[in-house]
Amino acid sequence: GAVVSQHPSRVICKSGTSVKIECRSLDFQATTMFWYRQFPKQSLMLMATSNEGSKATYEQGVEKDKFLINHASLTLSTLTVTSAHPEDSSFYICSAGEGAHSYGYTFGSGTRLTVV
Amino acid sequence: DAKTTQPPSMDCAEGRAANLPCNHSTISGNEYVYWYRQIHSQGPQYIIHGLKNNETNEMASLIITEDRKSSTLILPHATLRDTAVYYCIVMSNQAGTALIFGKGTTLSVSS
Repeated sequence: GAVVSQHPSRVICKSGTSVKIECRSLDFQATTMFWYRQFPKQSLMLMATSNEGSKATYEQGVEKDKFLINHASLTLSTLTVTSAHPEDSSFYICSAGEGAHSYGYTFGSGTRLTVV
Repeated sequence: DAKTTQPPSMDCAEGRAANLPCNHSTISGNEYVYWYRQIHSQGPQYIIHGLKNNETNEMASLIITEDRKSSTLILPHATLRDTAVYYCIVMSNQAGTALIFGKGTTLSVSS
């Protein structure tokens, strides 16, 4: 089945630094990837939709200059959290689809970001 | 906002069937019913989806009412590893459409 690899699984960074999270589709080409954020005991919240070769579409309330998304190829999307602050600490999850998602989207295993 | 309503929590004994309900009374004709689950600190996992017919795969069965306003996910023989948050999502099958998660149902399977 389709596999999405997300890296790193866990990262701790200092306040004010930037962190990059990678999301790769291993056995299919993903024209669209999605980025979610999940706070403890809450549901997943869609942050942005990433389309290969074009600018990402951000959900209302998500700062595009803080959460930089790059989808330069059909198998890789990256999320960079710039100038991270403790309130950015969260579980970040990507998902990818191969055109019409007849069998549902595949999710990465998530990245636990802790900003200290 | 999520277009579905699910009970916040359910309990099930190991080995018994787990029946998870979902209401989606405003579902449109081109929208499918998808079920995902999320085990603690992992990414969501696709379970099953359907349009109007009942569906079954190796993980579960999906029963959709004739008016499509509600559905039930059935795990025929629940195990401890099925303890997770289960999300019912309605969405069109159009490429590029994002999954919007509601609060889901926390299923606790106990021995």
